[in-house]
Amino acid sequence: EPEVTQTPSHQVTQMGQEVILRCVPISNHLYFYWYRQILGQKVEFLVSFYNNEISEKSEIFDDQFSVERPDGSNFTLKIRSTKLEDSAMYFCASRHPGQLGKNIQYFGAGTRLSVL
Amino acid sequence: QKEVEQNSGPLSVPEGAIASLNCTYSDRGSQSFFWYRQYSGKSPELIMSIYSNGDKEDGRFTAQLNKASQYVSLLIRDSQPSDSATYLCAVKAGGSYIPTFGRGTSLIVHP
Repeated sequence: EPEVTQTPSHQVTQMGQEVILRCVPISNHLYFYWYRQILGQKVEFLVSFYNNEISEKSEIFDDQFSVERPDGSNFTLKIRSTKLEDSAMYFCASRHPGQLGKNIQYFGAGTRLSVL
Repeated sequence: QKEVEQNSGPLSVPEGAIASLNCTYSDRGSQSFFWYRQYSGKSPELIMSIYSNGDKEDGRFTAQLNKASQYVSLLIRDSQPSDSATYLCAVKAGGSYIPTFGRGTSLIVHP
């Protein structure tokens, strides 16, 4: 069964460093998303991406964040200068342009980011 | 501000019982409703989606939607210890493709 894959599974970084989280969405999906989940908190939307541009973003997704689809398969989230509060699990999700707008998103296993 | 509320639990049920998980939402324009299961340290896994009032059944799972009351629930029949997880309710408004998640309800099924 096709799945969304994310690498690395765990990323440890020093405060102020740049990190890039990588995702390979399901191959025939056209909509891509990043979410984060701080330990013990709810899943929070960061950004959605379609047709090589951001379609929606949340207040969390400030100038420190950027997304890119550098080739036909990868979808990346970059955090330019990490802060302690960026420590969280980051989930990538993708969606097929489905029928009747059912908007079913499939999540990857996540990358746990630890900022020290 | 769109809110999705769930009782954090834990909800503890014996094996074989029916587990009932509830969710309320604030946005009357919401059109799509999802239940995800999340094991500790793992990603959310979609288990049910529902779009119209009434019940939708899939195996041991039944989702119930009442838009007038802004209420959606998930019933798990014949609960198994492997059902022990956090269940996330997610709601999507009509004008957006982005679901808003609740904090989740922790379910414990004890043998």
